[in-house]
Amino acid sequence: EVQLLQSGGGLVQPGGSLRLSCEPSELTFKNYWMHWVRQAPGKGLVWVARFRADGTGTSYADSVKGRFTISRDNAKSTLYLQMSSLTSDDTAAYYCIGTGPRSYWGQGSLVIVSS
Amino acid sequence: QAVVTQEPSLTVSPGGTVTLTCGSSTGAVTSGHYPYWFQQKPGQAPRTLIFDVGNRHSWTPDRFSGSLLGDKAALTLSGAQPEDEAEYYCFLSFSDTRRVFGGGTKLTVL
Repeated sequence: EVQLLQSGGGLVQPGGSLRLSCEPSELTFKNYWMHWVRQAPGKGLVWVARFRADGTGTSYADSVKGRFTISRDNAKSTLYLQMSSLTSDDTAAYYCIGTGPRSYWGQGSLVIVSS
Repeated sequence: QAVVTQEPSLTVSPGGTVTLTCGSSTGAVTSGHYPYWFQQKPGQAPRTLIFDVGNRHSWTPDRFSGSLLGDKAALTLSGAQPEDEAEYYCFLSFSDTRRVFGGGTKLTVL
């Protein structure tokens, strides 16, 4: 069964940086668009960024553009979200999702931005 | 940016049928928006129920079905069970760039 195993997350000070990782098992990157989404406490889901299945392009929500970078290491079969200039508004659970022939979710990574 | 709309809350009786809808501020929702439906229960990560309009995942009960209904995407639950009480989110694709979630529908089985 496909699993998306996430790592990273934690407590970071405002203005700081953090990197999240997402490692799919038994999922071929080239067949899946990979996304990061987030959910602030008690709120709904918000799309953050995506990476095309063929690896040719990325796209970002306006709220994170210029601060977050989605990337993929095909050799390691790992998806990343590099986050910088973090503010309290970025506090949320972050999930990676693969969409393609099927659709799978990671278990989530909690990011808390606080001094 | 497009706004995706869902009913904030709905209630269905056990064994009953309910339809959740997903609309777009840009116009009719079509298959080209590749509508997804996700289910999230309290304290859990979301999971995919329906993808690309009406395709069920391997774990999606047959009582859930996805479709296009008028100018919206729809998720119909036929024969509601207590375990179906959850938050349901739709997810639409716009051109080749942005993706947008609806605000979610809190479904109560009562």
